[in-house]
Amino acid sequence: GENVEQHPSTLSVQEGDSAVIKCTYSDSASNYFPWYKQELGKRPQLIIDIRSNVGEKKDQRIAVTLNKTAKHFSLHITETQPEDSAVYFCAASPRWAGGTSYGKLTFGQGTILTVHP
Amino acid sequence: NAGVTQTPKFQVLKTGQSMTLQCAQDMNHEYMSWYRQDPGMGLRLIHYSVGAGITDQGEVPNGYNVSRSTTEDFPLRLLSAAPSQTSVYFCASSVSSYNEQFFGPGTRLTVL
Repeated sequence: GENVEQHPSTLSVQEGDSAVIKCTYSDSASNYFPWYKQELGKRPQLIIDIRSNVGEKKDQRIAVTLNKTAKHFSLHITETQPEDSAVYFCAASPRWAGGTSYGKLTFGQGTILTVHP
Repeated sequence: NAGVTQTPKFQVLKTGQSMTLQCAQDMNHEYMSWYRQDPGMGLRLIHYSVGAGITDQGEVPNGYNVSRSTTEDFPLRLLSAAPSQTSVYFCASSVSSYNEQFFGPGTRLTVL
């Protein structure tokens, strides 16, 4: 099955700096890569996602890049703010698994991002 | 729209007890899933369902059962609780695994 590795496990930056979180995946059939943000005591929420037909996607201060050949994708946050402090999760899913197994979403271990004012 | 709801919010069990965590959604989503969240382990998939009557195992299914008799509900049953099942449990729903997952508020379970 799919294995998603996420690094670093913790990341500390100063307000205004950029933050980069990287993920690798093992299943070449994966072609959907979302990122979720989880604030303390809250539920995870989608912040951005990318599908394998594009290499980069941007939404204001957040961008995601995908390298399908190397099987890795990254989250980039620019001009970080204290409210960006949270746990970030990457994930991967195939669109169609085929056979007797259905497509399922596999998450990475999470990155605790702390933005210091 | 209530979205995804979970009950209870908190639960304390003794080793060996059984219980059911409830999950419901009102968005007519076909795909529903259960995750457990432990420190440093991320969100690990327990079981998931791609529609009423269809379920499959995730990466940590042992000790848990699920069924999906309706589109709206996807309960998670703990057969004989163990301290290793102490965790926060999230239910999620979406159109498919290839679309945004909407998470419930979570259930914090402690097994003594």
